[in-house]
Amino acid sequence: GAVVSQHPSWVICKSGTSVKIECRSLDFQATTMFWYRQFPKQSLMLMATSNEGSKATYEQGVEKDKFLINHASLTLSTLTVTSAHPEDSSFYICSARVGSGGKNSPLHFGNGTRLTVT
Amino acid sequence: GNSVTQMEGPVTLSEEAFLTINCTYTATGYPSLFWYVQYPGEGLQLLLKATKADDKGSNKGFEATYRKETTSFHLEKGSVQVSDSAVYFCALSGREAAGNKLTFGGGTRVLVKP
Repeated sequence: GAVVSQHPSWVICKSGTSVKIECRSLDFQATTMFWYRQFPKQSLMLMATSNEGSKATYEQGVEKDKFLINHASLTLSTLTVTSAHPEDSSFYICSARVGSGGKNSPLHFGNGTRLTVT
Repeated sequence: GNSVTQMEGPVTLSEEAFLTINCTYTATGYPSLFWYVQYPGEGLQLLLKATKADDKGSNKGFEATYRKETTSFHLEKGSVQVSDSAVYFCALSGREAAGNKLTFGGGTRVLVKP
């Protein structure tokens, strides 16, 4: 159980276009989902916390107008990279907690989306 | 704030060798501690966890003990296999009021050679 599905697994887009990444919790409901960004050979950087039915909470330094997050249901959160530029090329990973989401509950991660902007 | 420090890699080992990856943390209160593993091109998978002092998490031959006195959560495996080649992340989850965000260490790449 506790499967998080992320789609697409990879995408190549042209500079200036927008790309949408979907994150679904397949067998559980997730009030909160997290979006991370990972640069090559580096750790994960939390970008934002996605809250169902309300606005996302962005980490310091992350542009909310560039990385649009929509958490429309308890099983789906989307991240849209708007007007993508080559520096946005990265590995984006979503995650969610099962149940009440307390600190003892581990995060379950999607398999990530590799975005390449040409 | 919370932070996690783990040994830098890459760590290169021969099959059946003993693996240790050091992890220390700084946090207020009583965090929960986790080890995640990332195989090439994939997302992260939970490897093991410990939620209170002296707890030992274990899975797939890996073990880690929550040491509050040394603020450590070192990962060990007695005999590694080629399939253990991956990047390992130590992480902590802090106070409920902080939104239970996970703080990750920098990751340690492990390469096991046959």
